[in-house]
Amino acid sequence: DTAVSQTPKYLVTQMGNDKSIKCEQNLGHDTMYWYKQDSKKFLKIMFSYNNKELIINETVPNRFSPKSPDKAHLNLHINSLELGDSAVYFCASSQHAGGFQETQYFGPGTRLLVL
Amino acid sequence: SQQGEEDPQALSIQEGENATMNCSYKTSINNLQWYRQNSGRGLVHLILIRSNEREKHSGRLRVTLDTSKKSSSLLITASRAADTASYFCATDSSSGSARQLTFGSGTQLTVLP
Repeated sequence: DTAVSQTPKYLVTQMGNDKSIKCEQNLGHDTMYWYKQDSKKFLKIMFSYNNKELIINETVPNRFSPKSPDKAHLNLHINSLELGDSAVYFCASSQHAGGFQETQYFGPGTRLLVL
Repeated sequence: SQQGEEDPQALSIQEGENATMNCSYKTSINNLQWYRQNSGRGLVHLILIRSNEREKHSGRLRVTLDTSKKSSSLLITASRAADTASYFCATDSSSGSARQLTFGSGTQLTVLP
């Protein structure tokens, strides 16, 4: 069974549209993350949630709004998509927010292309 | 800002050879982790080394950490074609409850059969 799953896997859309990406983890982890990987493969954290509460919010346009209905889900909603939003978005989870030596488990990624 | 930077950006070797990738970082860390990313897939955790450790082994993987030089290396011995992937180092410099990993841009390893 997939530990961290994301849908959709591919997303092609027009500039200005609003879209959502869903993430679910079945590991029982407390903390979930969203990362953006650009065309040069640089991976940058966007958000981190612990038990449904936002704990990290990097400098991300407020067009991006994460929503965590429960600790197993962290969805990413993007308003008014721009060309520069094209990237691969990864969801990840880890067991606890406060412990050291935490490894993260990544989903397969959502490839977003904005035309 | 980018914390970990891998070197080289790309590495191509023959099957059976060893592959060494390096990572440099800027600030003090709690631990450093290496991840692998196969083409079109998510990242997979390989190994974690704590800031008070100098070397760690896991199967064909050997990681070293030099906190005085703020650098780490990942050695893959007896490489296989299946090792072809991008390898990322990630540093944990977090404090408090907000765990945060900062990733570099990776080394693309190609192992030729």
